[in-house]
Amino acid sequence: EVQVLESGGGLVQPGNSLKLSCATSGFTFSTAWMYWYRQFPEKRLEWVARIKAKSNNYATDYTESVKGRFTISRDDSKSSIYLQMNNLKEEDTAIYYCARTDYWGQGVMVTVSS
Amino acid sequence: VVMTQTPPSLSVAIGQSVSISCKSSQSLVASDKNTYLNWLLQSPGRSPKRLIYQVSKLDSGVPDRFSGSGSEKDFTLKISRVEAEDLGVYYCLQGTHLPRTFGGGTKLELK
Repeated sequence: EVQVLESGGGLVQPGNSLKLSCATSGFTFSTAWMYWYRQFPEKRLEWVARIKAKSNNYATDYTESVKGRFTISRDDSKSSIYLQMNNLKEEDTAIYYCARTDYWGQGVMVTVSS
Repeated sequence: VVMTQTPPSLSVAIGQSVSISCKSSQSLVASDKNTYLNWLLQSPGRSPKRLIYQVSKLDSGVPDRFSGSGSEKDFTLKISRVEAEDLGVYYCLQGTHLPRTFGGGTKLELK
């Protein structure tokens, strides 16, 4: 059974940092392209970042609004991916979802507020 | 790529059939000739779940009352004989171009 579990969310002040983790099981993680998405309070969905597999040199891509601030990474030995979020802004407030191409986790809330 | 999804909401009776439209601002045909158009359902209080990929391919366990069709820039999700478990918000998602982009969602409610 595929399992995807996010952690690390919380309340943070603008300008601060937060690191999200996503632990997975139930599939061959090392060959999977993995994603972070987010859902804003008004329910709009947005793709955040993607990391490809080792065979694709772990290439990464980001949506424009997070480039230079967010970093996606993975640890194949732990079947996990991460999202390091720096210089957070109030508009980053959202539920963050970790996903395989076809399966989404339950999400973790990130609130950026002073 | 802008994904325009209509209608924003649908009120249906159980057993009724419905269609949701998703139009893209650019062709979604990729260089490998595949079309990466997905449909997802977010049931109340749940995370999104993919139902259909590459326009018309059903994910495992998805009932065959769901069907997807379309090409290039114009796509449709059809639900035949709506059941209570089908209620929620449907989103189209294109994966051909970066950034991956979503439609605005269609909320399916009971009449």
